[in-house]
Parts: sequence; structure tokens; C-alpha cells
Amino acid sequence: AQKVTQAQTEISVVEKEDVTLDCVYETRDTTYYLFWYKQPPSGELVFLIRRNSFDEQNEISGRYSWNFQKSTSSFNFTITASQVVDSAVYFCALSEASTGNQFYFGTGTSLTVIP
Amino acid sequence: DAGVIQSPRHEVTEMGQEVTLRCKPISGHNSLFWYRQTMMRGLELLIYFNNNVPIDDSGMPEDRFSAKMPNASFSTLKIQPSEPRDSAVYFCASSLLAVGTEAFFGQGTRLTVV
Repeated sequence: AQKVTQAQTEISVVEKEDVTLDCVYETRDTTYYLFWYKQPPSGELVFLIRRNSFDEQNEISGRYSWNFQKSTSSFNFTITASQVVDSAVYFCALSEASTGNQFYFGTGTSLTVIP
Repeated sequence: DAGVIQSPRHEVTEMGQEVTLRCKPISGHNSLFWYRQTMMRGLELLIYFNNNVPIDDSGMPEDRFSAKMPNASFSTLKIQPSEPRDSAVYFCASSLLAVGTEAFFGQGTRLTVV
């Protein structure tokens, strides 16, 4: 079974629009960690954020914000006032205390910001 | 720190040839991961090491694939013999050996087998 689901395969928005990327996870652990990574066209994977299962406080970093809701097993990522440089594939990932430091990645959401 | 370093960045080889991909993890990191990325299958974990010991190699597709980590600063992924379906981008990543720490990725090796 897929532990991390990113249902949105591709999203296109016009520059300056807000966009939310969805991530739904599945785990039986009470201790787990969630991550977002960005893969720009150049190809490398860049770490964006980590949250642990005990901290549901939302986080904002500039135009980026993350909404963690255990009740719906979701860890959504919102980009406010999108820019062309935000065009990339975004991956959500999960690691569980019971499986050590192994990462489970979603299939990614390809975001295109149109100027 | 220099980050995770992979070599080569690009590799084109003929079917049947041996291919060796190399990775230098971030100094001080004691977990190392090899991933393969394709359009069809996304990011797949092939194998990972903790303290140079292979922990889970269930993602290694076939016996043609092998990985080693002779010391804390070097790992190889070898494919022999290579086949066209092995064409993909191969990523190496490293992290601290602690649950919940993020992994840092290298820039990947784009392998093309013709």
C-alpha cells in the first residue's frame, strides 16, 4: 500500500496565484516525520521542511506554508503568490520511528507557474 | 560542507556493459541511500546503509545490481550487465543516523543504456 499519496499529478497556475499541493499519508506509528522536497528542472532534490507527528503547528516560511492535520492524515503545502521559479516537482515523504530512517516518497506533483 | 557528491553526472553505455556509479556522502552522515527515478515508477529506494552496513536492499531490482559501502565516505552502485531498462536518474542521499532527520540528495547520475 502506498504510504504517501499525492493525488495531484500536475498543476498549472498563473503567476501570483496561490496554489496548494496535497499530501496524504498512512502510518500506524504514533511517532513519524513528514517532509517536503522540491525538484526543480535542474534535477536535484532540495529539502524544504520536516515536521514531527507531535507538532501540528502550521509553519510559514516566506511565501511557503505547511498545514499539518493529523485528523485527516494530511500535510499540505501552500505557495502564496506563486512565481515562475516555483515551477518544479514537489515530493512529500514520510519516515516512521518503527522503520528507522527509511523514507517513503509520494509520486510527486509537477507544478508549472505560467508567467 | 560540499554536500553529497555523485559521479559521473551523465553516463551513456552500451547494453551489456558494466556501469559503476559513485557517491560521497556528507561528512559525518552515517546513513546513505540509493534511489532510482524514472517517469514510470517515480522515486524508488534501491538500498540503504547505516554505518556502512546494508540495512535494506529489497528495492534492488535484480542480481545485476549491487552496492557497496567500503567506508563512511564512499559508496558505489554497480550494474552488470546493463540493460536499456536500467536507463534512469540514480540519486544518492545521506543523512544522520537518527529517525526523523532529513536526507540530503546529490545531483544524480543520468544513466542511458543504448
